[in-house]
Amino acid sequence: SQQGEEDPQALSIQEGENATMNCSYKTSINNLQWYRQNSGRGLVHLILIRSNEREKHSGRLRVTLDTSKKSSSLLITASRAADTASYFCATEPPDSSYKLIFGSGTRLLVRP
Amino acid sequence: NAGVMQNPRHLVRRRGQEARLRCSPMKGHSHVYWYRQLPEEGLKFMVYLQKENIIDESGMPKERFSAEFPKEGPSILRIQQVVRGDSAAYFCASSPRGTAYGNQPQHFGDGTRLSIL
Repeated sequence: SQQGEEDPQALSIQEGENATMNCSYKTSINNLQWYRQNSGRGLVHLILIRSNEREKHSGRLRVTLDTSKKSSSLLITASRAADTASYFCATEPPDSSYKLIFGSGTRLLVRP
Repeated sequence: NAGVMQNPRHLVRRRGQEARLRCSPMKGHSHVYWYRQLPEEGLKFMVYLQKENIIDESGMPKERFSAEFPKEGPSILRIQQVVRGDSAAYFCASSPRGTAYGNQPQHFGDGTRLSIL
């Protein structure tokens, strides 16, 4: 069954603003990963946070993980029009670490 | 470009025909994963292969679908006697190591968009 669920489904912001996307999941995980998908393209790996980590940064990206609440958030600071894409969280289960379980994604539109 | 290569990018088939989707993993990667994506949805795991071995095909329909990753050449996802419901984007991903080494990202190709007339 689908594990990761993103919220909101769609988000529209002005360039320069911050964008926050949330992901909830149901069972235990090795790690949680965030991917970006531009229209008509494949997924690009953004960041991986392990189950024993609480926060991770990469450039303008900040990811948090709360395993007690089974939730994660992705923050994109100072957004740019080029950040327009769909963003997916994916969880890696401990018993089958290759079988990434994706949420349905957040469609982000950054208006110039 | 040493990324994951999938071809064709777009494939149109009539109901009842066969579809063959190819995936060449990144150089040095020996583990391949296939996913399916329906419009407005996330990716769903189909099958995990290593060279000449199917490790887990639990996400693949039992009928009409098969996958292989031969010693030489690309991985192939084969769909026989396609139906309208097979229309989707099919993505391949690869990694250098497999399940014993979790916590590593999978690298995705740009997918094959399959349309069934």
